[in-house]
Amino acid sequence: DVKVTQSSRYLVKRTGEKVFLECVQDMDHENMFWYRQDPGLGLRLIYFSYDVKMKEKGDIPEGYSVSREKKERFSLILESASTNQTSMYLCASSLQLYEQYFGPGTRLTVT
Amino acid sequence: EDQVTQSPEALRLQEGESSSLNCSYTVSGLRGLFWYRQDPGKGPEFLFTLYSAGEEKEKERLKATLTKKESFLHITAPKPEDSATYLCAVQAASGGYNKLIFGAGTRLAVHP
Repeated sequence: DVKVTQSSRYLVKRTGEKVFLECVQDMDHENMFWYRQDPGLGLRLIYFSYDVKMKEKGDIPEGYSVSREKKERFSLILESASTNQTSMYLCASSLQLYEQYFGPGTRLTVT
Repeated sequence: EDQVTQSPEALRLQEGESSSLNCSYTVSGLRGLFWYRQDPGKGPEFLFTLYSAGEEKEKERLKATLTKKESFLHITAPKPEDSATYLCAVQAASGGYNKLIFGAGTRLAVHP
């Protein structure tokens, strides 16, 4: 079974803090993704990575950066957290042209 | 512009009352269509992949079908544990690196 894990289920941070969200997959997938999910807006792609050290912007990359130093690990960084970044963050991984498998999500609250 | 629309937004069923969820898509060449189930506060769980019109996949009480413009998720004799949000996503030929376009989902509630 594919397993995608995320570092925290719940996180509370203050405005202006630097926030790291980590994601690890155990299936040797090339592709990894970060989404955020908000009521009424659905799943929106923030960044994705198709190989180690490679990244592409998704639909809403502003205010975020990513890092992929190892194939199994993909980190999302909020450089200076703001209240409008309060959301559910979902990590996913996939082989090329196949279904994505999601982690359990991190519910981030920025106060 | 590539687009995915799911209907209805919400559906309430009695246990045992079969129904269908719809996913309509407009994409410049379909590579694949995916169905997911999402429980509150959790990540989406993969259910099915469909690649070409006429294809069907089944799993327990769920059956997914695909035409050139839409997909249906049929739920036969649902149980309360089938209550969840069902998400549809497509991978378009114009997208790269396995980028998916998600619909907004259908919230299904099955009552005993």
